[in-house]
Amino acid sequence: NAGVMQNPRHLVRRRGQEARLRCSPMKGHSHVYWYRQLPEEGLKFMVYLQKENIIDESGMPKERFSAEFPKEGPSILRIQQVVRGDSAAYFCASSQGTGFFGYTFGSGTRLTVV
Amino acid sequence: TQLLEQSPQFLSIQEGENLTVYCNSSSVFSSLQWYRQEPGEGPVLLVTVVTGGEVKKLKRLTFQFGDARKDSSLHITAAQTGDTGLYLCAGAAQGGKLIFGQGTELSVKP
Repeated sequence: NAGVMQNPRHLVRRRGQEARLRCSPMKGHSHVYWYRQLPEEGLKFMVYLQKENIIDESGMPKERFSAEFPKEGPSILRIQQVVRGDSAAYFCASSQGTGFFGYTFGSGTRLTVV
Repeated sequence: TQLLEQSPQFLSIQEGENLTVYCNSSSVFSSLQWYRQEPGEGPVLLVTVVTGGEVKKLKRLTFQFGDARKDSSLHITAAQTGDTGLYLCAGAAQGGKLIFGQGTELSVKP
């Protein structure tokens, strides 16, 4: 019974390139949340998705960032034209319901922009 | 804006000592969750507290939710080197998203 799977674990991009981060939730989980962890800043909510729907994207920057959770396949967090400030660990979490009783987190993708 | 203040930020103790980590807010949360995070990994859920005044025990760890559901504490008895890690409290906000505290970096020395 695999947990939340994120890939790649590490991603290096040059400034201006695109970064695609993938997340496959736990089996049976239909709610996916993305968080970003910056050094000295802790974990910050970015976006909450259910299959084919964005429920809450209030934590996501308005430009360059987008997320999707298609009917088939993993959830994707996409960052266009990356800048150095996008370097961070990005975590995906899934739950059966709204996560009231807790989430299962993936191991994260560490994005480094050079 | 809902915020969670976690203290202390850093804690270095000897094996066998007791410690308490605090998580405080001016906002009411429907539930309060505690996670532990190892370097290079994602947070792992330790416990969820839901009812004001609730106390939950997990071996040597005791979690308490304040009566008003605005604060919580984690107490570790007789800490071991294996307890070393980053401890995070998180409040469940509207829609299910979590508001995280800054974390407590615990180091237990042999």
